[in-house]
Amino acid sequence: SQTIHQWPATLVQPVGSPLSLECTVEGTSNPNLYWYRQAAGRGLQLLFYSVGIGQISSEVPQNLSASRPQDRQFILSSKKLLLSDSGFYLCAWSVQGPYEQYFGPGTRLTVT
Amino acid sequence: AQKVTQAQTEISVVEKEDVTLDCVYETRDTTYYLFWYKQPPSGELVFLIRRNSFDEQNEISGRYSWNFQKSTSSFNFTITASQVVDSAVYFCALSEGGGYQKVTFGTGTKLQVIP
Repeated sequence: SQTIHQWPATLVQPVGSPLSLECTVEGTSNPNLYWYRQAAGRGLQLLFYSVGIGQISSEVPQNLSASRPQDRQFILSSKKLLLSDSGFYLCAWSVQGPYEQYFGPGTRLTVT
Repeated sequence: AQKVTQAQTEISVVEKEDVTLDCVYETRDTTYYLFWYKQPPSGELVFLIRRNSFDEQNEISGRYSWNFQKSTSSFNFTITASQVVDSAVYFCALSEGGGYQKVTFGTGTKLQVIP
């Protein structure tokens, strides 16, 4: 069966510090991978998606970046965090095509 | 452009009541997919159902049922005999067909089931 892991679960970082969130998927090959952000009490905002290694598409211009160094690894990064980067970050995967996504447990990021 | 509207921001019901969560979508494609997800207080989104545009049959899974009506562009979700464990935020989502397509999520409906 497939599983998706995200870490860390919670993170408190000062403004201007770097960020690295990691997501890995097990039990499947060549998945689509996604990073979403959810502000408190709000809906989901798609940040990045990837259909293959090294293929990253950005949905929203911002100071975040994503990388996919391996087939089942997706990393969200920032060189300098802003207060507005606080939120709940969710990683998800799906099989290739317009199918349902399966989400990880999320990372709660607080930028102070 | 695709769009999903969940007009109900928050709903409160007493346990054992039935509740319907509304979802209205917009798309220009004839091939598309609709989804419902549940987000409990823990935060992790859980996939509930996928329905494609060619299948208008309603679906029932235990206490959950879904009503898909292309004529009104709606994909409503009913919980029968609600329970406290149903308390969560529910998201409706839409994906247009063909290759990779971005999924558009609605803004979610927060359901509170009061014991």
